[in-house]
Amino acid sequence: GQQVMQIPQYQHVQEGEDFTTYCNSSTTLSNIQWYKQRPGGHPVFLIQLVKSGEVKKQKRLTFQFGEAKKNSSLHITATQTTDVGTYFCAGISGGYNKLIFGAGTRLAVHP
Amino acid sequence: DAGITQSPRYKITETGRQVTLMCHQTWSHSYMFWYRQDLGHGLRLIYYSAAADITDKGEVPDGYVVSRSKTENFPLTLESATRSQTSVYFCASSDFGQGGTEAFFGQGTRLTVV
Repeated sequence: GQQVMQIPQYQHVQEGEDFTTYCNSSTTLSNIQWYKQRPGGHPVFLIQLVKSGEVKKQKRLTFQFGEAKKNSSLHITATQTTDVGTYFCAGISGGYNKLIFGAGTRLAVHP
Repeated sequence: DAGITQSPRYKITETGRQVTLMCHQTWSHSYMFWYRQDLGHGLRLIYYSAAADITDKGEVPDGYVVSRSKTENFPLTLESATRSQTSVYFCASSDFGQGGTEAFFGQGTRLTVV
């Protein structure tokens, strides 16, 4: 069945450093979504990528969808303490909109 | 208020007991999902539903039962709770099929099986 792998599992950075998390799917995806979960909270939607090779930006966040629609990345430039949390990718494949999440990358930012 | 709500927020139950976690959404979203979150495993899909009376298994369905007789409700039942089912459970809803994009999550239910 569909599997979504995400690395790294943890990342510790100093405030101001960049951060990247990578997501890989075992199957071709219809689209990929990214969510952020603050400590003690619930996942909150950040963005969806649909097209092969698509790149989207949200302020300091850059999201990419691979050409084969099997991988994606999230890059944060100049991290801030407000970026702390766990970032999840989630993929949809097939015709049933089954939303499968990766294991997430927990980001810690040290001031 | 509009939104997605889960109840209870916290639950302690004994091994072997049946327990039901409730999920209610007011948007009339067609899709609803149940996930469990465990350290190191992220969010794993238990069951999902594309519409009332349509449900399907996710990644880890064993030991769980769902129903969806009404669009707005999607209860999750643990038929005979085991310690391995201690987890945080999240319900989510989305209108994927009607042009929607994101999944909206409830606040979660922290379940402890002793």
